[in-house]
Amino acid sequence: EAQVTQNPRYLITVTGKKLTVTCSQNMNHEYMSWYRQDPGLGLRQIYYSMNVEVTDKGDVPEGYKVSRKEKRNFPLILESPSPNQTSLYFCASSLKGDRYEQYFGPGTRLTVT
Amino acid sequence: DAKTTQPPSMDCAEGRAANLPCNHSTISGNEYVYWYRQIHSQGPQYIIHGLKNNETNEMASLIITEDRKSSTLILPHATLRDTAVYYCIVRADNYGQNFVFGPGTRLSVLP
Repeated sequence: EAQVTQNPRYLITVTGKKLTVTCSQNMNHEYMSWYRQDPGLGLRQIYYSMNVEVTDKGDVPEGYKVSRKEKRNFPLILESPSPNQTSLYFCASSLKGDRYEQYFGPGTRLTVT
Repeated sequence: DAKTTQPPSMDCAEGRAANLPCNHSTISGNEYVYWYRQIHSQGPQYIIHGLKNNETNEMASLIITEDRKSSTLILPHATLRDTAVYYCIVRADNYGQNFVFGPGTRLSVLP
């Protein structure tokens, strides 16, 4: 089954403790992206990747890092999480760029205390 | 990217057509109209997109006015499972950068 998976689905952590949210897709898609969703602010793009080793900033990249060493994986790294990064995070992928249908993962609900 | 305006909420009776409007009066010639939906807190789901011609797929139809300043997403026979927030997004082919979802329209399909 074609899908985007994210782990963990739920995470509660403390300020400053490094964490990684994994994202993997099995559709051989070139494009992958991370979004965060906050009440009243909608979904906003954090980072995206056009292909392996090619990443770029989205609308709200501060406090986040990404890497794309393999086509299928696009982890989101929070080096020193802060409470304002408490949010619902979605990973997405598409064949080539966002002009194509984007497939979204189930989401990761992160709470930073 | 052009700004879009959608009503914050709409109701539709089950089995009837749901017509969701979107205004994008500042749309440029190279900007596409996309529709996604999000059921509760699940990941958004792609519905349809178009440039200037009307489009139809197994989920919905997209009607774009001739001047391209507005569009309507049509769900021909709404079911309770179509209750969701529907997002209209207008953007050029910027290859991934700043794909922003606005507040959308919360569609409630009523039994």
